[in-house]
Amino acid sequence: KAGVTQTPRYLIKTRGQQVTLSCSPISGHRSVSWYQQTPGQGLQFLFEYFSETQRNKGNFPGRFSGRQFSNSRSEMNVSTLELGDSALYLCASSAKGLVITGELFFGEGSRLTVL
Amino acid sequence: GQQVMQIPQYQHVQEGEDFTTYCNSSTTLSNIQWYKQRPGGHPVFLIQLVKSGEVKKQKRLTFQFGEAKKNSSLHITATQTTDVGTYFCAGRTGLIFGTGTRLQVFP
Repeated sequence: KAGVTQTPRYLIKTRGQQVTLSCSPISGHRSVSWYQQTPGQGLQFLFEYFSETQRNKGNFPGRFSGRQFSNSRSEMNVSTLELGDSALYLCASSAKGLVITGELFFGEGSRLTVL
Repeated sequence: GQQVMQIPQYQHVQEGEDFTTYCNSSTTLSNIQWYKQRPGGHPVFLIQLVKSGEVKKQKRLTFQFGEAKKNSSLHITATQTTDVGTYFCAGRTGLIFGTGTRLQVFP
């Protein structure tokens, strides 16, 4: 069974630009959640999608958004990039979703650098 | 808001020594999960605890969930260099990750 696939793995943007990251979950998993990982803040929950609906949202500004498609693939978008958005963005898929107990399977992450 | 703190932040041990990391939540958790992230890697699920006072073992790893379901611990007996990484707890009601404990093992 293929794991969680995130693209791109690395990208460099400048302040003010926007970025879109993609996540393909494990086949059959309907829940995709996104996390921002930085050395100073650790792993922080961004949002979770289940069957194309956002079910949970973390404490991030509206510049961070996401969506999920009917095939469960998910994208997250960050607009008007700031230097502080430089981070490793991880997505995780789960068969059961965050509301119900379920193991998370993480992708390798997309490392975003904002200059 | 809900916070999950882990201590210590860093731990350096000699191979063969024991290691424990503690996870404390400001609110009661419905369950708790533990993940390990190797340097340069992504978090990998270790275990989930659901019941108050639950204890689970995986070879040299022992996981505990507190009676009040607000704290948890991971104990590694006789550490090996393969144990190197950052250990995160993750508390559910929503999903809040602990701050992580980075373990370094010296041979």
